[in-house]
Amino acid sequence: AQSVTQPDIHITVSEGASLELRCNYSYGATPYLFWYVQSPGQGLQLLLKYFSGDTLVQGIKGFEAEFKRSQSSFNLRKPSVHWSDAAEYFCAVGPNTGFQKLVFGTGTRLLVSP
Amino acid sequence: GAGVSQSPSNKVTEKGKDVELRCDPISGHTALYWYRQSLGQGLEFLIYFQGNSAPDKSGLPSDRFSAERTGGSVSTLTIQRTQQEDSAVYLCASSLSGPTDTQYFGPGTRLTVL
Repeated sequence: AQSVTQPDIHITVSEGASLELRCNYSYGATPYLFWYVQSPGQGLQLLLKYFSGDTLVQGIKGFEAEFKRSQSSFNLRKPSVHWSDAAEYFCAVGPNTGFQKLVFGTGTRLLVSP
Repeated sequence: GAGVSQSPSNKVTEKGKDVELRCDPISGHTALYWYRQSLGQGLEFLIYFQGNSAPDKSGLPSDRFSAERTGGSVSTLTIQRTQQEDSAVYLCASSLSGPTDTQYFGPGTRLTVL
């Protein structure tokens, strides 16, 4: 069965510190991988996506993620967190053919302390 | 340009009533998706429309749920005889088409069934 695991429900990071949000997936074939961010009262916004090629992908707002096939992981990182990064982050996987029927993780809520 | 819009933003209904949720996709987007976000859970795929093709309804949780898309644009998700477990945020997304096109999400409709 296809699934996405985000093991951390909440993470608190000090402003200016580095961040890593974990994502592991179970998928029958090589999937497409995504990170979305959801701010309070907002819809989901795509941060970055991986389809193929370079396993380190850059996204918006200074985020990056690394695809590690051997670990079935797609962790999200940011070198220096800003208070405005406080939000909920969702990892998702989808098929590399057909339509983008995304399977989402349960999300990680990021809190940023001053 | 305008993003995906959804209405109403909030809907409170009584158990057993029918509700209709509306989604206006981005102009020119042929693919439209509905997802459900329940408390403490990730997003759950419900249904997918692509152009004039038959929709993929594989994610609809019961026959009380149905959706249509008129003229290849606006979509309505209908829940009949609502139950308390239907309480969730219903998100709509649209994309150009195909698995590599970004899904753009609307702000969602928060449904509360009393």
